[in-house]
Amino acid sequence: AQKITQTQPGMFVQEKEAVTLDCTYDTSDQSYGLFWYKQPSSGEMIFLIYQGSYDEQNATEGRYSLNFQKARKSANLVISASQLGDSAMYFCAMREGTSNTGKLIFGQGTTLQVKP
Amino acid sequence: DGGITQSPKYLFRKEGQNVTLSCEQNLNHDAMYWYRQDPGQGLRLIYYSQIVNDFQKGDIAEGYSVSREKKESFPLTVTSAQKNPTAFYLCASSIYEGGGNEQFFGPGTRLTVL
Repeated sequence: AQKITQTQPGMFVQEKEAVTLDCTYDTSDQSYGLFWYKQPSSGEMIFLIYQGSYDEQNATEGRYSLNFQKARKSANLVISASQLGDSAMYFCAMREGTSNTGKLIFGQGTTLQVKP
Repeated sequence: DGGITQSPKYLFRKEGQNVTLSCEQNLNHDAMYWYRQDPGQGLRLIYYSQIVNDFQKGDIAEGYSVSREKKESFPLTVTSAQKNPTAFYLCASSIYEGGGNEQFFGPGTRLTVL
């Protein structure tokens, strides 16, 4: 059965420093997608970055990059140059298969606090 | 502006009452989803629908019901059979092809059972 594990319930980072949020996954499918979402205290879910299982390059979106290690089944999110507005809960998620209309499985989340 | 709307933002219900949460999207997305989030926890899938007039149970469907009569709408009914309905409910949608890979989320409804 597919599963997402985020082992860091909470993290602190100094403003302007980089931080890595861990995510490991378990699936027997060869084709899958990995996602990271940000949830501020308002509750909205903000899509950050996507990595397909067949993508050879690690995904990047501005200050966000995904460190994809397929053999280790890990998909860590790296946030560079942290800002105070990055304080939020971050969720890793996985979708099996190639369809964009498949269901997502979410991890438990990591709460990130950026210190000034 | 295209997006997903959920109403109401806050909802209070007495025990034993059914309540319906609204979710509407004008993104022309094919699939819609309902998730439940408990405090400090991740999202769990309740129901999802990949096409009009069809839907599938997620991991925690007991005590909930849905309908998908129109592409734009996917209402969720929380029935009195749901033992602990107090939670944050999020609706999402995604497009089959021609767009990005992600699910888009609405702003959520906080349901409290009194």
